[in-house]
Amino acid sequence: AQTVTQSQPEMSVQEAETVTLSCTYDTSENNYYLFWYKQPPSRQMILVIRQEAYKQQNATENRFSVNFQKAAKSFSLKISDSQLGDTAMYFCAFMKLTGTASKLTFGTGTRLQVTL
Amino acid sequence: GAGVSQSPSNKVTEKGKDVELRCDPISGHTALYWYRQSLGQGLEFLIYFQGNSAPDKSGLPSDRFSAERTGGSVSTLTIQRTQQEDSAVYLCASSWGRVNQPQHFGDGTRLSIL
Repeated sequence: AQTVTQSQPEMSVQEAETVTLSCTYDTSENNYYLFWYKQPPSRQMILVIRQEAYKQQNATENRFSVNFQKAAKSFSLKISDSQLGDTAMYFCAFMKLTGTASKLTFGTGTRLQVTL
Repeated sequence: GAGVSQSPSNKVTEKGKDVELRCDPISGHTALYWYRQSLGQGLEFLIYFQGNSAPDKSGLPSDRFSAERTGGSVSTLTIQRTQQEDSAVYLCASSWGRVNQPQHFGDGTRLSIL
């Protein structure tokens, strides 16, 4: 079974600054996907970024980037130039690579507050 | 286009009652997932439907929980004889069913058991 750990329940960052959210996971699988989802107060889960484990290059989506360390089983999210709209819960998630899509295993989340 | 739609948005019921939660996936999505989010917790997988294959029910917490998906589209999650610990937000997601396709989530149903 897979587990995902997010050790930072809450974080705060000032607008325009950079913040890094931590995520570690445990799995015996060699092929898998990792995701970061954002959940604003509206409750809808929004995909922020994803990383295929077989790719060494770290994924980047505009102001969001990851630091994927496969050997260390670490998958942190860096948010650059933080904006007030980034305030939300952030969840790290794991998906085992099978022939088709499968379930996501989530961490317990990090609540990010962006302040003026 | 339309996203994943869940109804009701909020549901309050008495302990011991049965409840039904509905999910309308994105049109054409073959995979449908139910997750539960308890207060202060991450999302917990409940059940997964993929096309005409037998559903993966490995996350259902007890036999009071069941789900069906009719015609490969709409899904209903049923909780019988509700307990207070069933209070949570129930989220539905759908995807194209291929491993490189992301899951798209609805806004969830907040279930409160009195």
